[in-house]
Amino acid sequence: GAGVSQSPSNKVTEKGKDVELRCDPISGHTALYWYRQRLGQGLEFLIYFQGNSAPDKSGLPSDRFSAERTGESVSTLTIQRTQQEDSAVYLCASSLVSGQSSGNTIYFGEGSWLTVV
Amino acid sequence: DQQVKQNSPSLSVQEGRISILNCDYTNSMFDYFLWYKKYPAEGPTFLISISSIKDKNEDGRFTVFLNKSAKHLSLHIVPSQPGDSAVYFCAATFSGWGKLQFGAGTQVVVTP
Repeated sequence: GAGVSQSPSNKVTEKGKDVELRCDPISGHTALYWYRQRLGQGLEFLIYFQGNSAPDKSGLPSDRFSAERTGESVSTLTIQRTQQEDSAVYLCASSLVSGQSSGNTIYFGEGSWLTVV
Repeated sequence: DQQVKQNSPSLSVQEGRISILNCDYTNSMFDYFLWYKKYPAEGPTFLISISSIKDKNEDGRFTVFLNKSAKHLSLHIVPSQPGDSAVYFCAATFSGWGKLQFGAGTQVVVTP
């Protein structure tokens, strides 16, 4: 499809294990964002990439979280030594350029549901 | 630091009536505001937005009102339809910031 694609859609992992979440943005979109939503809470910004600029990592909650992006395509979000509080849906989004404005809509994927047991 | 607040976690409204969703923000730098709609097991989808140079924006059944002095915006849905049942997120940003700050969401249930 032409939308933002995320995998896996669901992941159950044991506490202490590492997980990798993948995002394929819409083709041609230079900006890519990661958000997460924990149960009963709003969307929490994690990180965003804009072209070749240094990523904005200001939302990453700890050094166990990291993300990479290959050029202007796929991104992976890695969580090391997972904890139960990491359980959430991790949402990836992309847009033509960074920043939401008229004509530059941010499109979200369906999310990767992570459960840490 | 919750810069965007949606104080009503849920709202129930009868089909055909008006739904009013409220959102407050604290950061005076915000100059662009958006509403997203989210169905279960799907990502949020963009609904409507408003720039701080306006106080109202309409798109079909959806109208967003902005009161900058009160740092308050609202979304009106008229008339409400069963397919409007979803979680609605308010979001805000400012030029050059590159990201959105979201509220906690309001669950809307439209009853027949």
